[in-house]
Amino acid sequence: NAGVTQTPKFRVLKTGQSMTLLCAQDMNHEYMYWYRQDPGMGLRLIHYSVGEGTTAKGEVPDGYNVSRLKKQNFLLGLESAAPSQTSVYFCASSYPSRANYGYTFGSGTRLTVV
Amino acid sequence: DQQVKQNSPSLSVQEGRISILNCDYTNSMFDYFLWYKKYPAEGPTFLISISSIKDKNEDGRFTVFLNKSAKHLSLHIVPSQPGDSAVYFCAASARGGYQKVTFGIGTKLQVIP
Repeated sequence: NAGVTQTPKFRVLKTGQSMTLLCAQDMNHEYMYWYRQDPGMGLRLIHYSVGEGTTAKGEVPDGYNVSRLKKQNFLLGLESAAPSQTSVYFCASSYPSRANYGYTFGSGTRLTVV
Repeated sequence: DQQVKQNSPSLSVQEGRISILNCDYTNSMFDYFLWYKKYPAEGPTFLISISSIKDKNEDGRFTVFLNKSAKHLSLHIVPSQPGDSAVYFCAASARGGYQKVTFGIGTKLQVIP
């Protein structure tokens, strides 16, 4: 099925460990995004990419890095995990045009940092 | 500073009745508004959108109304069905640059059979 695939779906990390979350889309979307969802905070943008080889900071980028080496993949890295990074992470993709379609989201990665 | 506000964290409605979810925004640069629906353990899915040049957009049982002077939009679901029980996010984007979307914190809708 076409869409956005996130791996892994669940992960528990110890403080200070590193990990990479993978997002893959097969819709040939130019734009890709990483959001985190926390109770009472809604969805907050971490980083985004407007094309292969480009990345930019969003609203809450500290403690995260990203890479977009291939158009279909967008990786989110945590270099040294902290308990404050316990959250549900969503990847999304879209066409450049804002007309009607909105974002296509993945099903999320639930990360717990202990 | 929340630029997109959903002041009702939850809403309960009887099956068959109308559900009205409200959203306020503060950024006058927003000119495109969207609603997303989210079920537990799934990602949000796009539901309906409206451009600021319109005041109403309808798609089946879902209608979004936009009141620019009040910086307010609402989502109406008629008739409500148990399968509509989900969290609904209001979102908005501004013209220019990339397609950055700002989300509200969501309203949990429960449709009671």
